Amino acid sequence: KAGVTQTPRYLIKTRGQQVTLSCSPISGHRSVSWYQQTPGQGLQFLFEYFSETQRNKGNFPGRFSGRQFSNSRSEMNVSTLELGDSALYLCASQKGQGGTEAFFGQGTRLTVV
Amino acid sequence: GEDVEQSLFLSVREGDSSVINCTYTDSSSTYLYWYKQEPGAGLQLLTYIFSNMDMKQDQRLTVLLNKKDKHLSLRIADTQTGDSAIYFCAETHTGGFKTIFGAGTRLFVKA
Repeated sequence: KAGVTQTPRYLIKTRGQQVTLSCSPISGHRSVSWYQQTPGQGLQFLFEYFSETQRNKGNFPGRFSGRQFSNSRSEMNVSTLELGDSALYLCASQKGQGGTEAFFGQGTRLTVV
Repeated sequence: GEDVEQSLFLSVREGDSSVINCTYTDSSSTYLYWYKQEPGAGLQLLTYIFSNMDMKQDQRLTVLLNKKDKHLSLRIADTQTGDSAIYFCAETHTGGFKTIFGAGTRLFVKA
């Protein structure tokens, strides 16, 4: 079956702009989590969605938001981009409740200039 | 609190065994994972262990869990140059709805 698909793979934006990243989970998976990966901070949890509801949120400012659609696809949005938002954004798909195996997409590399 | 710690670098010779260590703080952790990330790629699950186990072996990989010390290790036997990557330790617990990752250990394999 198809894996986790993230689009786009690469993105360059300027400061102050906003960006929307997309994640399509594995078919049948209802949980989608988002992570930010930077060389300095490692993998930081952003938020997790299950059946269109955000169940948990990490320590990120309100500029970071997300949503999940009825088909389990998820988007995350970052508004008023800052240079420090440059990172690899990874999406993980799980069947359901926390504690089951997470499958990761290839990520979207966002560069803010 | 929730925290997962790993050493940042490990260098081994091809053919030797590699041991990557990890400590975690959440005693209610149910699942503990090892992920591998190669350059430019996402994370690939290598293996996982339930918190009621103390060892799991899968081909060249051996996971050891010491619940008392909250210590997890990954041993890679007969390490190959293709094993060069970043290895992440992660933990989650049922109902937590999130997985906490360590900073990753960069494994260098010298030919």
